[in-house]
Order: sequence, then C-alpha cells, then structure tokens
Amino acid sequence: GAGVSQSPSNKVTEKGKDVELRCDPISGHTALYWYRQSLGQGLEFLIYFQGNSAPDKSGLPSDRFSAERTGGSVSTLTIQRTQQEDSAVYLCASSVRDGVLHNSPLHFGNGTRLTVT
Amino acid sequence: GQQVMQIPQYQHVQEGEDFTTYCNSSTTLSNIQWYKQRPGGHPVFLIQLVKSGEVKKQKRLTFQFGEAKKNSSLHITATQTTDVGTYFCAGPHRLGSGGSNYKLTFGKGTLLTVNP
Repeated sequence: GAGVSQSPSNKVTEKGKDVELRCDPISGHTALYWYRQSLGQGLEFLIYFQGNSAPDKSGLPSDRFSAERTGGSVSTLTIQRTQQEDSAVYLCASSVRDGVLHNSPLHFGNGTRLTVT
Repeated sequence: GQQVMQIPQYQHVQEGEDFTTYCNSSTTLSNIQWYKQRPGGHPVFLIQLVKSGEVKKQKRLTFQFGEAKKNSSLHITATQTTDVGTYFCAGPHRLGSGGSNYKLTFGKGTLLTVNP
C-alpha cells in the first residue's frame, strides 16, 4: 500500500515568504509527527497529533510555525515569514497508534527539502 | 533535558570489517528504537528493544539494550556496501508534564561509509 506522502518534495522560497508543507499519512494511522532535519543533524521534534485531539506543539521553534490536521488525516505545516535558519528537511511520520511506546514504529515520508534564500 | 547521544558521528570501514555504533540516554528508557537512513532517503525502522539486557539479531546486525535501559548498541558484522547510511537510535520521552503523549527523541546518528 501507499506510504506516507509529503509534498512538495522541494521548496525554494525567499526570506519573509510563507510556506505550506503537506503530509498525507498512511490510511488508518492515528498518530502523526513532524520532525525537522538540518544538514548532518539528527531529527528535531516539532509537533505531534493523535487522532482528532489537540496537538502537542511543544517542539515548535517559534510562533512562526503552526500545523493543523484536518479530519484526523492530512496535516499541513505552515511557516510564516521564513528565515534562512528554517532551511532544512521537514519529515512527517505516522504510526498506527502511539508508536513510541507500543510496538508500532514510525513510518516516515520522503520529506520536503526547504531552502530559504 | 532529555538527550540521546550517539558515537561515533562518522565511521568509515573497508567492506568486510565490523562496525559498531553506541547510544546513550540521559534518562532510563521504556524502549529504544533503531532507524536507518540511506543517503538521500528517509529514516526506516529497523527494530525496537524493550527488555533490560535484550539482544536481537537481524542477519548480520546485532542490537543490544543495556541492563539499566539507558544505553544501546548496534553491531554489524562483515559490512557490505548496502549497509551505507546513517543509523539513528531513538527513545520515547513524555510530552508535557503528566501527559500521556510521547515523542521519539533521536540521537544525531552515526554515518557509516563502506569502501568496496
């Protein structure tokens, strides 16, 4: 079946512009995570959604970042007034349920490579 | 804060040599997960260890979880060029105070390159 789908795969934007990144999780997966990966770095947690519940936004680096998840499925990560330090690969992952505690691993999408010029 | 540290950051080996990466957590973990990211790819789940002292094998890969559940290792025997990539360990940490949601905290990974 289809895996986690992210779009666009690449995005180049000018500093100060807003961007929207989309994630379509695996059907039936209730848990959805956004992570950010800078060059040569590990994965930085951004935000967590579980079903239709209010998200945990504790990892968002600033108030320029926001995310929503419609109908417990597709998620959109929005970055307003982009800065050069926002340049990174943004990865979305889903799991059947709260995979981090149960034997339900995270399935990652291919990511969106964001470049802010 | 909650940290997961990995060493080494990079490892270059000749094909056929063994490889080990080590993972240490600042806190006791309920489980530890390992992921592999090929160059240009996304992280792919390899395995989860849950029990203290647990050892699991996948062909040439051997995973260990420490007795104190704060450290782990991945050992690859007789590396092949297909083993190239970055290996991440990750452990769950609670989100917020007293909440029931968790995130995976990833180490920075070990980049393995193999010379054929």
